[in-house]
Amino acid sequence: DTEVTQTPKHLVMGMTNKKSLKCEQHMGHRAMYWYKQKAKKPPELMFVYSYEKLSINESVPSRFSPECPNSSLLNLHLHALQPEDSALYLCASSPWGRMNTEAFFGQGTRLTVV
Amino acid sequence: AQTVTQSQPEMSVQEAETVTLSCTYDTSESDYYLFWYKQPPSRQMILVIRQEAYKQQNATENRFSVNFQKAAKSFSLKISDSQLGDAAMYFCALIEGGDDKIIFGKGTRLHILP
Repeated sequence: DTEVTQTPKHLVMGMTNKKSLKCEQHMGHRAMYWYKQKAKKPPELMFVYSYEKLSINESVPSRFSPECPNSSLLNLHLHALQPEDSALYLCASSPWGRMNTEAFFGQGTRLTVV
Repeated sequence: AQTVTQSQPEMSVQEAETVTLSCTYDTSESDYYLFWYKQPPSRQMILVIRQEAYKQQNATENRFSVNFQKAAKSFSLKISDSQLGDAAMYFCALIEGGDDKIIFGKGTRLHILP
């Protein structure tokens, strides 16, 4: 199984809603990542979890809250988002906490904030 | 600061022909890794090819090969026998050896003409 599975694929939420994005991998990878991608732009790193501990937070606003309950699962909790947060959110994983080995990406969650 | 530059926002190639996508980068590190990722309309980022900076030999993967010119800091991707399924956004990317962050270029959208 070489998949990173993200759910849901699409999400529309209001600015007062609370929602969560989920990412799952069963490859035994010990690092997992959240990226944000706006249309026609490259992905931008948000968070890195290495061995289930948050190792990088790229100064992301607190309305985005990551969680890594176990080595296979990564969540991104969303609260009080703004319309400019609408984007594709990509999850990725890599074997040893280094993206210089092969990284696997999920298909993303297309988020629309209304 | 490390940078990755893709100077071709869009390119087109006839099916079965060969196309080369350009990428230049800048880093002060001697230990780094270079990648080409493909993002088709399905949105999933797929690793196409990977090159370690310490290796002089150019990486190849089936129809995909790179021309790695370390002194010139150039890392171009050649796609031979282009197929309709190659149509996608292609991102050139860099990781410095001790880092967890991928630095992406702005991308090149490749169109395959039947």
